[in-house]
Amino acid sequence: GAGVSQTPSNKVTEKGKYVELRCDPISGHTALYWYRQSLGQGPEFLIYFQGTGAADDSGLPNDRFFAVRPEGSVSTLKIQRTERGDSAVYLCASSLSTGELFFGEGSRLTVL
Amino acid sequence: GESVGLHLPTLSVQEGDNSIINCAYSNSASDYFIWYKQESGKGPQFIIDIRSNMDKRQGQRVTVLLNKTVKHLSLQIAATQPGDSAVYFCAELSGGYNKLIFGAGTRLAVHP
Repeated sequence: GAGVSQTPSNKVTEKGKYVELRCDPISGHTALYWYRQSLGQGPEFLIYFQGTGAADDSGLPNDRFFAVRPEGSVSTLKIQRTERGDSAVYLCASSLSTGELFFGEGSRLTVL
Repeated sequence: GESVGLHLPTLSVQEGDNSIINCAYSNSASDYFIWYKQESGKGPQFIIDIRSNMDKRQGQRVTVLLNKTVKHLSLQIAATQPGDSAVYFCAELSGGYNKLIFGAGTRLAVHP
């Protein structure tokens, strides 16, 4: 497709489980971002990739959160030992090295 | 820390009226601002941007005003339509790349 694709669109899991969220950026976009959006709030920055490397992971809340982008395209956000407070919409965005961010529709995570 | 916020959480307007959504920012060093529209279940969508060397920028039916003296942004939507109903966020660019800091958002409700 032409836009940023995120899967799954919805994920329900139990407290303590491991979750992976996937992002397919727009082809050719070297920059990729993960944001987290809680209900009624604006998106909150988590991590930024330029190519394969995480250039800024200062927004990751703790060491249960990790993200990879091994080939500089698809990225996976990994959450270990999920907690109820992790429930949110996880948004991915991509852009050329500088320029407008294009957001996906997000993955809604619900931790029971 | 530095943040971007909004004055009004909800704005209700009649179809055909003009809408004004306001935003305050706290980082006087920020030099780039963006307005996003987010419809239910979708990711944020770019509307219009403005750099700090400008005080006004116009798009199609939208105008962004920047007052650096009081660190205030506004988004004006002319002849508001039902399709404009959404949550609107202002975002501030931080760092040397597209690390956006979002405010909490304003919900715009357009009534026929």
